[in-house]
Amino acid sequence: DQQVKQNSPSLSVQEGRISILNCDYTNSMFDYFLWYKKYPAEGPTFLISISSIKDKNEDGRFTVFLNKSAKHLSLHIVPSQPGDSAVYFCAASSDRGSTLGRLYFGRGTQLTVWP
Amino acid sequence: GAGVSQTPSNKVTEKGKYVELRCDPISGHTALYWYRQSLGQGPEFLIYFQGTGAADDSGLPNDRFFAVRPEGSVSTLKIQRTERGDSAVYLCASSLAPSSSTDTQYFGPGTRLTVL
Repeated sequence: DQQVKQNSPSLSVQEGRISILNCDYTNSMFDYFLWYKKYPAEGPTFLISISSIKDKNEDGRFTVFLNKSAKHLSLHIVPSQPGDSAVYFCAASSDRGSTLGRLYFGRGTQLTVWP
Repeated sequence: GAGVSQTPSNKVTEKGKYVELRCDPISGHTALYWYRQSLGQGPEFLIYFQGTGAADDSGLPNDRFFAVRPEGSVSTLKIQRTERGDSAVYLCASSLAPSSSTDTQYFGPGTRLTVL
């Protein structure tokens, strides 16, 4: 069963506009959430993360929002740039239990930023 | 410094053959992970090493899959009697450790395995 879900396989945004990528999770044990970015033929690259004790984390053009009650997080990119075009993976992990260290990934969202 | 490296970048084999995939983690990283990414899916956890020992191998799909890390650095993922369903990109990641959920995992470029 997919514990981390990205329901939009693709998103197309004009340069300069805001990109919003969404992610839902089902496991209430998750306490840390990450976004990775992946270009073709490369491994995923860490982008930004958020702990479950926070509801927002910002790093330059990237902001992640966490809504624990809804088990939902989103990544905002503003302003979007053509170089942001990539697949974005949402991931989650838990510090508790036997799954320490394991990341659970969504299926990814292909972001295309057009000029 | 150097990132995580994986060799080979591509591997084509025939059904039933044995393959080995290698991962060189970032120097000094004691935690090492293997993931598998099938077409249209996100990476899926296989196994996690803390030092030389497998701390969690519950993601290995069956006993045809085995991984080692004898000196606590380089790791090899071994697949016996390969099947067409094993075709995927195999990703390796490392983190500084001791592992907690906040340790950033750094990924290698992956090995694309194709089983004909």
